[in-house]
Amino acid sequence: SSELTQDPAVSVALGQTVRITCQGDSLRSYYASWYQQKPGQAPVLVIYGKNNRPSGIPDRFSGSSSGNTASLTITGAQAEDEADYYCNSRDSSGNLHVVFGGGTKLTVL
Amino acid sequence: QVQLQESGPGLVKPSETLSLTCAVSGYSISSGYYWGWIRQPPGKGLEWIGSIYHSGSTYYNPSLKSRVTISVDTSKNQFSLKLSSVTAADTAVYYCASYNSGYEGFDYWGQGTLVTVSS
Repeated sequence: SSELTQDPAVSVALGQTVRITCQGDSLRSYYASWYQQKPGQAPVLVIYGKNNRPSGIPDRFSGSSSGNTASLTITGAQAEDEADYYCNSRDSSGNLHVVFGGGTKLTVL
Repeated sequence: QVQLQESGPGLVKPSETLSLTCAVSGYSISSGYYWGWIRQPPGKGLEWIGSIYHSGSTYYNPSLKSRVTISVDTSKNQFSLKLSSVTAADTAVYYCASYNSGYEGFDYWGQGTLVTVSS
């Protein structure tokens, strides 16, 4: 199996840029997907693949990857971006097993 | 627009079997996609439980595999989760979601249902 590691908490000043990272061996083979979860709500997919946004996701959200690390960048963070963010990928086994990171709580100051 | 809705008991006794169903609308399960279950204990992160393809092929989290069964009913356009021998540690919000293998991500989610394990 695989594990994905995220920093528990990150903060950013309003309007500034923040990067949230996710590390794991499976990321050398597979892209990460990223989810935003606000209190009491289901997660929402914000980034998938190399750097793709589902319809309705603002273009201030972007994704990148290098080696065993995937990153979610929010350029010009807004107050409504304060949420928990989770990364997710297939595990290293090559089948359809999936793993989530532990999540990062983003605070917008 | 794909919509998913979980249903099932909100309270299960220890050692019993948790059973949930996810009704899918706006898309025919038999047309493709993988369908998954994810859970989130109160105040904690997301945990993948398992996924099923419309053909019935299943994939389970190794840590839960001995207790999990996921099945699909294409005639009712729904899929189901059974988790046996539950304990308090299985108390969580349970989500069903569609897994897009092209995206390699869960693109549509149900609203989630809280299941409490308690006597």
